[in-house]
Amino acid sequence: DIQMTQSPSSLSASIGDRITITCRASQSINSFLNWYQQKPGKAPKLLVYATSTLQSGVPSTFTGSGYGTVFTLTISSLQPEDFATYSCQQTYSAPGTFGQGTKVEIK
Amino acid sequence: QVQLQESGPGLVKPSQTLSLTCTVSGGSISSGSHYWSWIRQPAGKGLEWIGRISTSGSTDYNPSLKSRVTISVDTSKNQFSLKLSSMTAADTALYYCARDVPLVRGAANSYYYGLDVWGQGTTVTVSS
Repeated sequence: DIQMTQSPSSLSASIGDRITITCRASQSINSFLNWYQQKPGKAPKLLVYATSTLQSGVPSTFTGSGYGTVFTLTISSLQPEDFATYSCQQTYSAPGTFGQGTKVEIK
Repeated sequence: QVQLQESGPGLVKPSQTLSLTCTVSGGSISSGSHYWSWIRQPAGKGLEWIGRISTSGSTDYNPSLKSRVTISVDTSKNQFSLKLSSMTAADTALYYCARDVPLVRGAANSYYYGLDVWGQGTTVTVSS
């Protein structure tokens, strides 16, 4: 299985801050990397697919980048609705393993 | 707009088999090159991919669960199901069903898939 490791596990930030979450794959996954946002008590929501393509309706403050084994999700200006847990998922090969998640909290 | 709804027992005894069903509404389970997936999340932990089934019935399972998992589809009812045998406390989790769709074509006739529609999740507790 391909292992996905996210860092940090959690972070505290203020409204308007720029933050970056990193996801590392245990082997190359080309661009087969998705990001999901999950709020408490809710199902995950697809944010970014194919490393950098925003799902419909996702604001342009979100940016995904990377290739191979290192990927990042950047939020350029944190909004109140962005405080959530973010998880990466590789879709290069089954099983479609997820990272352990990064919880973004209000400072 | 496609919606998914999980159903099944909230409590399962150790060693028993869990059976969950996901009902698809707002669209046909047979349409497109979709996969229908199961994902679980233990309380306070990350997401774990359990497996998926294609519209043609082919399956992929997480190797860590493969010996215990069966995913099937009933097109007449627009449902797909998960069976997980020999349940233990480690299987206690929130179980989600989700649609896995090809979102963009890649190189060499590959597709980039994503879990774009999720059910609300159902909590399963393993306890005697």
